[in-house]
Amino acid sequence: RKEVEQDPGPFNVPEGATVAFNCTYSNSASQSFFWYRQDCRKEPKLLMSVYSSGNEDGRFTAQLNRASQYISLLIRDSKLSDSATYLCVVNDRGSTLGRLYFGRGTQLTVWP
Amino acid sequence: SQTIHQWPATLVQPVGSPLSLECTVEGTSNPNLYWYRQAAGRGLQLLFYSVGIGQISSEVPQNLSASRPQDRQFILSSKKLLLSDSGFYLCAWSDLRVLNTEAFFGQGTRLTVV
Repeated sequence: RKEVEQDPGPFNVPEGATVAFNCTYSNSASQSFFWYRQDCRKEPKLLMSVYSSGNEDGRFTAQLNRASQYISLLIRDSKLSDSATYLCVVNDRGSTLGRLYFGRGTQLTVWP
Repeated sequence: SQTIHQWPATLVQPVGSPLSLECTVEGTSNPNLYWYRQAAGRGLQLLFYSVGIGQISSEVPQNLSASRPQDRQFILSSKKLLLSDSGFYLCAWSDLRVLNTEAFFGQGTRLTVV
């Protein structure tokens, strides 16, 4: 079983739509959670960290459900510039190596 | 502020040729360093990570090796490239002294083995 699994996508939505991505992780002791964004042929960049209480950054809302071991990302009022691949990332608890596990990513295309 | 440099940006190499990709980090000390590979349409695969000079751990057996000759320098090498080594190689660093630290990536090297 993979450490981190994501919705396969791709997601194709019109501008202004709301879209949600889900991600599940296998290690219940995982400690840190992130969403990264990767543009075509570019390196991944941190979009937002995910906290236990849930957190919001403008149009983006991230939530964590430890009991069910899943993480979600909600994008409201989608923009053309939101088109990218979104990577779910989990950091193992207690790992002195800072081992990050990446999902394969969910591709989002926002069309006008 | 911290920065990470990775070069070259693109590389086309013949099968059987050697490889050397370099990554350096500035503005921090004793970072954790990582090499990832992303094949076309695939996720990120961790190849090597390092917690200090000369300390390298390999995630998967392969045709590649890594070295860390200096605290902020990480090198990915191969003696003889295979076609299957083609991909997007990314160097990253993280600071375990920061709670819930994320990883920061270099701009990547797109390697095509022909």
